[in-house]
Amino acid sequence: GQNIDQPTEMTATEGAIVQINCTYQTSGFNGLFWYQQHAGEAPTFLSYNVLDGLEEKGRFSSFLSRSKGYSYLLLKELQMKDSASYLCAVRDSNYQLIWGAGTKLIIKP
Amino acid sequence: IAGITQAPTSQILAAGRRMTLRCTQDMRHNAMYWYRQDLGLGLRLIHYSNTAGTTGKGEVPDGYSVSRANTDDFPLTLASAVPSQTSVYFCASSASSEGGSNTGELFFGEGSRLTVL
Repeated sequence: GQNIDQPTEMTATEGAIVQINCTYQTSGFNGLFWYQQHAGEAPTFLSYNVLDGLEEKGRFSSFLSRSKGYSYLLLKELQMKDSASYLCAVRDSNYQLIWGAGTKLIIKP
Repeated sequence: IAGITQAPTSQILAAGRRMTLRCTQDMRHNAMYWYRQDLGLGLRLIHYSNTAGTTGKGEVPDGYSVSRANTDDFPLTLASAVPSQTSVYFCASSASSEGGSNTGELFFGEGSRLTVL
């Protein structure tokens, strides 16, 4: 079966760096997405990786290793507004998105 | 403001009643999707449409139906609601159902919180 694994919850301190991991086992691979979802709101797109390596976008970076079925989202200079759930999703060989359950990130002052 | 509009935002429904969740987008996206989101689970695809006039079943289609008469609208109908359909429902759209020249990122509506008693 297809599976996306990510930690259920993480806690970090304002101003620090946090890495949220995602491992996947899917039928084929056509890209990996990270979305941010604040409580009670809709998910919003953060990043997309289709080739191995690091994609940097401001305070957020996303890394992909296709051979290891592994990605991480790196958040730097954490702010209180970064408290949210972070969703990892993989597009499989049928171009269907398989979603992880999300990682709830709690930022403490 | 361009985007996706869902209605209603929230609804309490008696079991056995029929309910239609509305979804409209003004981005001229070809592909549209309905997901449900339950605590502790990832987003689960109910139905999708790659282009106007076509629909397909997702991971959890039972008890739901959709139609795509035009590009903009993609309503989701629960013919006879049951308590297990209590969930938050998200409509989403993307420019294309496949990668191509764009990432295929999804744009989500604000969600419809449905409670079936």
